[in-house]
This record gives sequence, C-alpha cells and structure tokens, in this order.
Amino acid sequence: EVQLVESGGDIIQPGGPLRLSCAASGFSFSSYWMHWVRQAPGKGLVWVSRINSDASSTAYADLVKGRFTISRDNAKNTLYLQMNSLRAEDTAVYYCVRGWRGVGVLNAFDIWGQGTMVTVSS
Amino acid sequence: DIQMTQSPSSLSASVGDRVTITCRASQGISDYLAWYQQKPGKVPELLIYAASTLQSGVPSRFSGSGAGTDFTLTISSLQPEDVATYYCQKYNNAPYTFGQGTKLEIK
Repeated sequence: EVQLVESGGDIIQPGGPLRLSCAASGFSFSSYWMHWVRQAPGKGLVWVSRINSDASSTAYADLVKGRFTISRDNAKNTLYLQMNSLRAEDTAVYYCVRGWRGVGVLNAFDIWGQGTMVTVSS
Repeated sequence: DIQMTQSPSSLSASVGDRVTITCRASQGISDYLAWYQQKPGKVPELLIYAASTLQSGVPSRFSGSGAGTDFTLTISSLQPEDVATYYCQKYNNAPYTFGQGTKLEIK
C-alpha cells in the first residue's frame, strides 16, 4: 500500500525550531519529487515547499523562505521539514505529499499523508 | 507569481443538481491544473489532473475542462457524499498555488 506517514508535530513556542518527518512506503520514494502543504485551522491549502528526487533542487513559498528547509533521505525513504523561527501564523496541519515521478508528463499531488499538527503558541 | 482564483467561495445545491465551480489563473498554465476534494475532517484527495483527466476511482459524475487561464469543475448530478471543499491548483512549477477553495453544501 502506498503510504505517507508524518510525525513530529508539537506545541512549540514562538521563535523555536521543529523538525517534521514523513515516512514513505509502497512506492519508489527516491524517484518522486515531494512536497509539504499546510492548512491552518479552518483555512485553505497552502503549498510550502518542494524537493526534487535527488535533493539537488528545492523551492519554497515566500512566507517560509529563509526559515524552513526541506530535505530527504532516500536510503531511509523519509522526507523532512526543518522549521526555524516559528511564528503563530505557522500554526497548521502539515501534509507530506507526493508529486511528480521525475520522468514523463508532470503529475499532480496524488498521495497525501494524514498530516501532523504544529501549534505555535506561548 | 501566478494567482489562482476560484468562484464561488461557497455554494449550496440540491441533490441531483448540476454544479459548476470555476478557477481562473492570472497567467496561462496550459493544462497543468488539478482539482482536489477535501471532505470535512479528511485529507485532500486528487480528483482531476491535466485539467480534465479523472484520477482513478473518481466517479464519472465529476468532470473538468479548460486550458490556459480558465478552468471548470462540474458535478453532473450532485450526491450527498459530494459535500466537501474543492480546491484548484496549478502544478507546472513553483509556487504550486492553490485556489482559495469552494465549500459545497447540500440545500
């Protein structure tokens, strides 16, 4: 079964760091581009960051650029999001999402994890 | 950056109605447009990609159309299980912007 399982969500004070993890299984993780998408309580979906299959290229939304770092360990089939200088407005459910398989036609975000909740509050 | 604008923001319709949601990109995105369905309390799911291709397992009452800047999601006959928020998204390159969502309810 194709699966993405996030972990690491927590209640954290403003300014603090937090690292999210996403364990992938059931597919060739190392072939796929991966993303993080977040959703604040009662709000819409916001794309956060993307990493390509061999980690040679990353991209970030302006609202997290310089504070968040996406990375991956293909040997461990795991995606990460290091979040620093957290703000109250970063409070959200963070989803790990599968993107393009790296070859052929671009494909959309077809597999989503269950999400992990990050709450930034003093 | 390209902005994605959905309309309406919310919609109430009766079972069996034909429902249409529109999505407009501020610049052309060819057909790199996806639609997602998020039922209350659930994870988003991919409904349609490449503007008009149904993801495997999605009921045929859902359809998508459009290219360039104007796109449409249509439900041909609304069912109670279609109550959800629907999002469009451009996925050709970063930033992979979502529309603000359309909340669909049953009248």
